[in-house]
Amino acid sequence: QVELQESGPGLVKPSETLSLTCTVSDGSITSYYWSWIRQPPGKGLEWIGYISDSGTTDYNPSLKSRVTMSLGTSKSQFSLKLSSVTAADTAIYYCARSLPYYNQAGRGYYPNWFDPWGQGTLVTVSS
Amino acid sequence: DIQMTQSPSSLSASVGDRVTITCRASQNIGNYLNWYQQKPGKAPNLLIYVATSLQSGVPSRFSGSGSGTDFTLTISSLQPEDFATYYCQQSYNMPSITFGQGTRLDI
Repeated sequence: QVELQESGPGLVKPSETLSLTCTVSDGSITSYYWSWIRQPPGKGLEWIGYISDSGTTDYNPSLKSRVTMSLGTSKSQFSLKLSSVTAADTAIYYCARSLPYYNQAGRGYYPNWFDPWGQGTLVTVSS
Repeated sequence: DIQMTQSPSSLSASVGDRVTITCRASQNIGNYLNWYQQKPGKAPNLLIYVATSLQSGVPSRFSGSGSGTDFTLTISSLQPEDFATYYCQQSYNMPSITFGQGTRLDI
């Protein structure tokens, strides 16, 4: 059973760049789509974006100008960068896996449901 | 963005009760609707995908129904381990995947 694990700094200064990595336990990101989702403490869930196994990306329009996702040099990792962070970016950040699913509205393959998720990592933005 | 509105926001129930949580989309999303359970300090766990399909390993007391704009998650007989927060999520309007605000289910 595949497991996902987020890693990265737990504290980031305002205006700097948040960087996280997700490691996939079975060693392969092939044939799946990989998303980042965040949850401010005590609040709801916000999808940040996804990257495919070939490196195609798509981001939440509300965060698009600050987000970059990339595949790792090993085939078992992918990463998130969020620039110019503020206190509003303080959250638990999760990585999650999706099967490519044909979306009739978008006329292409996209993530649909998320399973499994990593355990999450809390990132606090503070000076 | 498509807005997802869950009701109620919180709910008190007892072991053995039948519980229904509703999720309404601001526009037609077909069956692009999924349900998750989240327990305190844990990541969300997929329960139902494409509105009605039960994820492998999830107890059969959980069921989903609906299409278009109105969806429901039903727990047929509450068990102690079911007390948690439940979220719906739509993936119709890419790249704007959105979640409902959550429904907290308490004893």
